[in-house]
Amino acid sequence: GESVGLHLPTLSVQEGDNSIINCAYSNSASDYFIWYKQESGKGPQFIIDIRSNMDKRQGQRVTVLLNKTVKHLSLQIAATQPGDSAVYFCAENRGGGADGLTFGKGTHLIIQP
Amino acid sequence: SAVISQKPSRDICQRGTSLTIQCQVDSQVTMMFWYRQQPGQSLTLIATANQGSEATYESGFVIDKFPISRPNLTFSTLTVSNMSPEDSSIYLCSATGTSSYNEQFFGPGTRLTVL
Repeated sequence: GESVGLHLPTLSVQEGDNSIINCAYSNSASDYFIWYKQESGKGPQFIIDIRSNMDKRQGQRVTVLLNKTVKHLSLQIAATQPGDSAVYFCAENRGGGADGLTFGKGTHLIIQP
Repeated sequence: SAVISQKPSRDICQRGTSLTIQCQVDSQVTMMFWYRQQPGQSLTLIATANQGSEATYESGFVIDKFPISRPNLTFSTLTVSNMSPEDSSIYLCSATGTSSYNEQFFGPGTRLTVL
């Protein structure tokens, strides 16, 4: 299917290595952040989230770090696998309430065998 | 987690026509949203679909171009009206629960090509 990563920054990582994907957000009032994974031809899939009162959260093979001082979010994926190849988006809730999300530009992660 | 389906999955349409996209959630949710993803780009929020009332549109999107309905808690439609090639995009439906911190689940998207 058509790739959604054609115009996005690309990160190439060797299989088994760790990867770090970065995201800058702009709204100081945002209080909830989510990382999504999007494979070609599919909708975004929830990976992990973090609230603004935390600076780190861990899941299975993934860790999200939040630095509110510089408005920066990162996603760390440990021991990358071929199935991790996808486009990754950060998204922010704009400040309270069940609200629509503002998405970052996205990063195309390629896992090299 | 909620499962979201969309119809059609893709379509090719002629300039000047309209297309209605359906979104169905398998469980009751509070909020439903529509997003657009232009080729090779990120997602942009079009509007919040409100049950029984007019949708809330984001800056740059208007009801005449993107009319939205939400007759009940689990179903919504988005119409792309008077289409032009610039409307060629993936249109995605999402849903979330009652808490502001509930994750948003996304449908698979509808890939629209306008000739």
